[in-house]
Amino acid sequence: NAGVTQTPKFQVLKTGQSMTLQCAQDMNHNSMYWYRQDPGMGLRLIYYSASEGTTDKGEVPNGYNVSRLNKREFSLRLESAAPSQTSVYFCASSGRQGHGYGYTFGSGTRLTVV
Amino acid sequence: DQQVKQNSPSLSVQEGRISILNCDYTNSMFDYFLWYKKYPAEGPTFLISISSIKDKNEDGRFTVFLNKSAKHLSLHIVPSQPGDSAVYFCAASAWVGGSYIPTFGRGTSLIVHP
Repeated sequence: NAGVTQTPKFQVLKTGQSMTLQCAQDMNHNSMYWYRQDPGMGLRLIYYSASEGTTDKGEVPNGYNVSRLNKREFSLRLESAAPSQTSVYFCASSGRQGHGYGYTFGSGTRLTVV
Repeated sequence: DQQVKQNSPSLSVQEGRISILNCDYTNSMFDYFLWYKKYPAEGPTFLISISSIKDKNEDGRFTVFLNKSAKHLSLHIVPSQPGDSAVYFCAASAWVGGSYIPTFGRGTSLIVHP
């Protein structure tokens, strides 16, 4: 089925460890996004990529890096995980620059940093 | 400072009655507004959207109303069904850095009682 695929679905890290969250979409969308969801905080934008080869910071980029590997894939890296990064991470993509056509989300990665 | 606000964290309604979810925004540059529905352990799914040049958009049981002068939008669900029980996120998008970037509210948890 067409959509956004995130891996892994669950991960537990120790403080200071690094990891990469993977995201791939098969809808030929130009724009891709990484959000985190925390209780009572809604969805906050970490980074986005308007098109292949470009990335920009969102509202909460500190502690993260991203790579737009190609049009399909957009990864999020935590270089040195901290307990404050415990969250649910969602990747999303949009076509036609997302103008009113909605953003398709993956099912999320639940990350716990201990 | 929140640009998109959902001031009611939760809402409880009886099956068959109307559910009204509200959202306020502050940024006049937003030109598209969207509602998302989220079930536990799943990613948000697109529900309905409205352009800033319209004041109403309807899709089946779901209607979104936009009052630009008040910077307010609402989602009406009629009639409400138990399967509508979920968290609803309001989002507003603006053109930033080559892409439409959605900003999300903190969500309203809707419970529809049988």
